[in-house]
Amino acid sequence: AQRVTQPEKLLSVFKGAPVELKCNYSYSGSPELFWYVQYSRQRLQLLLRHISRESIKGFTADLNKGETSFHLKKPFAQEEDSAMYYCALQGGSEKLVFGKGTKLTVNP
Amino acid sequence: GAGVSQSPRYKVAKRGQDVALRCDPISGHVSLFWYQQALGQGPEFLTYFQNEAQLDKSGLPSDRFFAERPEGSVSTLKIQRTQQEDSAVYLCASSSYGTGGIYEQFFGPGTRLTVL
Repeated sequence: AQRVTQPEKLLSVFKGAPVELKCNYSYSGSPELFWYVQYSRQRLQLLLRHISRESIKGFTADLNKGETSFHLKKPFAQEEDSAMYYCALQGGSEKLVFGKGTKLTVNP
Repeated sequence: GAGVSQSPRYKVAKRGQDVALRCDPISGHVSLFWYQQALGQGPEFLTYFQNEAQLDKSGLPSDRFFAERPEGSVSTLKIQRTQQEDSAVYLCASSSYGTGGIYEQFFGPGTRLTVL
């Protein structure tokens, strides 16, 4: 079975502080992993995918197959990073399996 | 260019009514997906089309749910005899390739369905 777990429903940090949003997955094969973000009153959009190994808006995520994790990190959070973040897995088919999401609030 | 559009944006239905939700994908996108997002949850897969072929409908919760994409472009998700548990945001997404590739799914704004 494919499953994505985001253990934190809510995460609050101060501007300039480091932030880490946790994501663990369950899948027997080699997954493709993504982070999607939804800003207030906007549609869900792709933030980054592990295969491209890129940094978007200062965020990075490393796939750790040993720990089956794909945590999202940013060294210095900004107020505009406040949003809902969803980790998603694609394994063996085109569909995405999402976690329940983490609401990040960056306080001034 | 234009993104994925969905209509209506909001729908209120009385229990037992039938509803139809429309999705217009990005022009030329081969793949189209429907997801259901209940309050406080992540999106959950319902069904997937490659062109007009429905390749996966494993996520449809009951036989009251039906989706079609007859010409490989616009898609309609129909829910018959709506129940209160059908209340959710229904998201449509499209991507530019079908099989084997890892292509970004572009999401629409969603249709918020409320069943009274």
